[in-house]
Amino acid sequence: GAGVSQTPSNKVTEKGKYVELRCDPISGHTALYWYRQSLGQGPEFLIYFQGTGAADDSGLPNDRFFAVRPEGSVSTLKIQRTERGDSAVYLCASSYFPGLGDNEQFFGPGTRLTVL
Amino acid sequence: AQTVTQSQPEMSVQEAETVTLSCTYDTSESDYYLFWYKQPPSRQMILVIRQEAYKQQNATENRFSVNFQKAAKSFSLKISDSQLGDAAMYFCAYRSISGAGSYQLTFGKGTKLSVIP
Repeated sequence: GAGVSQTPSNKVTEKGKYVELRCDPISGHTALYWYRQSLGQGPEFLIYFQGTGAADDSGLPNDRFFAVRPEGSVSTLKIQRTERGDSAVYLCASSYFPGLGDNEQFFGPGTRLTVL
Repeated sequence: AQTVTQSQPEMSVQEAETVTLSCTYDTSESDYYLFWYKQPPSRQMILVIRQEAYKQQNATENRFSVNFQKAAKSFSLKISDSQLGDAAMYFCAYRSISGAGSYQLTFGKGTKLSVIP
């Protein structure tokens, strides 16, 4: 079956603009995660959805970042008033319910966001 | 909070040879999962191997094996018979068994592996 897909692959925007990053998880996966990978770093957790609700958004850096998953499938990460420091690769992952054993998180190819 | 440290920013290996990537972590938990992920230039993180902390036996997946030393909080990855396709960034990651950390992966900074033909 299809893996996790993310669009766009690359996004270039100007400082102060609004951007939306989309994630399509693997069909049947109830859990969805967003991570941010800055240059030279490992991915850092941003937010976790179980179904439609954000079960943990403690990794979101500030209130300019927001994510939704209205129907429990596709998720959109929204960044308002972008800053140059937001430039990074944004990775999405999905899995079956994480509380059951060692459910593997499957990652998408990421969206590279560049803020000029 | 858990931390994961990869002290080798870059490593290189001759094709067909063996290389070991190092990882140490810090945790107060007794049960947890450890992972090695591979990230090629395509950016997609691919799970290479996983280890459950309660299992004493080191995990093995074909040419990939780990040396898990729980007391030392060390989790190294050994790649045998290295192939050109093994060239990538490798990330060590930690995940709790239960609670809030059970869905968050905590990653190290990664090791860039080059394979020399």
